Amino acid sequence: GAVVSQHPSRVICKSGTSVKIECRSLDFQATTMFWYRQFPKQSLMLMATSNEGSKATYEQGVEKDKFLINHASLTLSTLTVTSAHPEDSSFYICSANAGAPIASQYFGPGTRLTVL
Amino acid sequence: QKEVEQNSGPLSVPEGAIASLNCTYSDRGSQSFFWYRQYSGKSPELIMSIYSNGDKEDGRFTAQLNKASQYVSLLIRDSQPSDSATYLCAVNRDDKIIFGKGTRLHILP
Repeated sequence: GAVVSQHPSRVICKSGTSVKIECRSLDFQATTMFWYRQFPKQSLMLMATSNEGSKATYEQGVEKDKFLINHASLTLSTLTVTSAHPEDSSFYICSANAGAPIASQYFGPGTRLTVL
Repeated sequence: QKEVEQNSGPLSVPEGAIASLNCTYSDRGSQSFFWYRQYSGKSPELIMSIYSNGDKEDGRFTAQLNKASQYVSLLIRDSQPSDSATYLCAVNRDDKIIFGKGTRLHILP
């Protein structure tokens, strides 16, 4: 099956720093990628939809200036958490869509972010 | 009303029994419905997708959809300890997938 990777798998940073998370589709081209955030014992919350070559579409309540998304190629999307604070500590998961049907959405292994 | 609602559990089921997981959704326009399994600290894994009313079976798993009642369920037959996980119900909103909070399932050996 299709493989999506994320890097890093785990990151610890100091408050105020920025953290970049990469999401790559390894064996297919992803026209659309999605970024989710999951707090402990909570659901996956969709943050934004990332389309190659265009601006990301953010869900209501998600600050686009804080969570910068770049989808520079059909195999790579990046999420940058700017000026991270402890409340940004969470599990960030990306998924990549290889096209219709919608079920063909493949999840990355996730990135655990801890902000001290 | 939340878009996708599930009982958070935990749901405890003896090994070998049938586990029944339920989900309701609010958007009548949803056409695609999914069940994902998520182990602690891992990302979700798709188990079943269902698009039309009725039952869909795949091995020990059966998904049931009732659009009139806006209800989706997942049955797991012959439950195994390895089935212990959080099960996420998800529905589409346009081209996005919206997840419920998940039901924690614990299979008792």
